[in-house]
Amino acid sequence: SQQGEEDPQALSIQEGENATMNCSYKTSINNLQWYRQNSGRGLVHLILIRSNEREKHSGRLRVTLDTSKKSSSLLITASRAADTASYFCATDPGGNQFYFGTGTSLTVIP
Amino acid sequence: ETGVTQTPRHLVMGMTNKKSLKCEQHLGHNAMYWYKQSAKKPLELMFVYSLEERVENNSVPSRFSPECPNSSHLFLHLHTLQPEDSALYLCASSQVTGRTEAFFGQGTRLTVV
Repeated sequence: SQQGEEDPQALSIQEGENATMNCSYKTSINNLQWYRQNSGRGLVHLILIRSNEREKHSGRLRVTLDTSKKSSSLLITASRAADTASYFCATDPGGNQFYFGTGTSLTVIP
Repeated sequence: ETGVTQTPRHLVMGMTNKKSLKCEQHLGHNAMYWYKQSAKKPLELMFVYSLEERVENNSVPSRFSPECPNSSHLFLHLHTLQPEDSALYLCASSQVTGRTEAFFGQGTRLTVV
């Protein structure tokens, strides 16, 4: 399968703590994206990192990409209750589609 | 609001019904997608359209029939569905297929009874 796999499947932290989730994939990629989904709603794009980039920041988000290990991580710093959602990575191996994993369910406890 | 609008938000239909899901984007994107999201499964890509031409059809049963009349609109026609087709159906668009960020609609929660 070409889809990404997120780890852990579920994560529960206290507000103010950092949350780290990981994504592993199996084929070479052009880019990797992270998305967020609030319960039962559409996905919202968070960040895109290209295969020639190693790290990218956007506000409280930090994404790393290690193409040699075929893995990426998403770090959310100083988490807030509003960050409670599911987070998905999506890989682009070339072609017409992205491949999504099953996601990490993050709960931030106030 | 992401610029992609899906209607209806919720739909309950019997197995003998015919219904359609609608998706609309005014972002000037050239690619549009239908995804199916079931509990504890990865998002399943159903169809991809690029410049109104279908470019991907991932072995989707014929009871799902897409239509893309122009680059701003995408439909998913449904008929004789099964209970296992109950899921969240998501529409998305992107500037080009695959390589750029996708914008998703809020989804249609479909229940087949």
